[in-house]
Amino acid sequence: GEDVEQSLFLSVREGDSSVINCTYTDSSSTYLYWYKQEPGAGLQLLTYIFSNMDMKQDQRLTVLLNKKDKHLSLRIADTQTGDSAIYFCAETAEANNLFFGTGTRLTVIP
Amino acid sequence: NAGVMQNPRHLVRRRGQEARLRCSPMKGHSHVYWYRQLPEEGLKFMVYLQKENIIDESGMPKERFSAEFPKEGPSILRIQQVVRGDSAAYFCASSLSRDLNTEAFFGQGTRLTVV
Repeated sequence: GEDVEQSLFLSVREGDSSVINCTYTDSSSTYLYWYKQEPGAGLQLLTYIFSNMDMKQDQRLTVLLNKKDKHLSLRIADTQTGDSAIYFCAETAEANNLFFGTGTRLTVIP
Repeated sequence: NAGVMQNPRHLVRRRGQEARLRCSPMKGHSHVYWYRQLPEEGLKFMVYLQKENIIDESGMPKERFSAEFPKEGPSILRIQQVVRGDSAAYFCASSLSRDLNTEAFFGQGTRLTVV
């Protein structure tokens, strides 16, 4: 079955860049997503990338996809304290059922 | 346009009781998905429903769990005879269509605690 893996924790200083990594096993993944979950809240879609792309940039967010290595990353430039949250990588192939990683808890140190 | 509404936000049940979780999708959305988030784990897909139909329930335990999305009213996730292992956050999402590039909007979740 599909497996999506992320490291559990990441700490960065305010103003630095954060890079959150994700690996997945499903070679038929069509879309890959990054979701943000703030304490006590639901998930908010940050960005997504289609599998035939290798990069997508949206303001402070840059998504890089290495399809050969099945590796996805999310870079947050100029990280702010408001970026502290859990970031979930997710992928989907055919059935529109999202498969999520365990989430990476990003802590931004002032 | 209100977002996806889930209630209750917190639910405490004793072992053996029934838990009913409700999800009202965003206005105009007819596709609903339920996910379960266990402590220190990611979200796991449970079931996908479209009005009055269960499309995919491959992630839902065969026993004690059921889901419905009636023509009128919210989607309901029902857990009968709850056990401690059912304690988790249950998230509902809705979308306008099944297209993969259609955003699924998530509710704030219902945190079920079984005591």
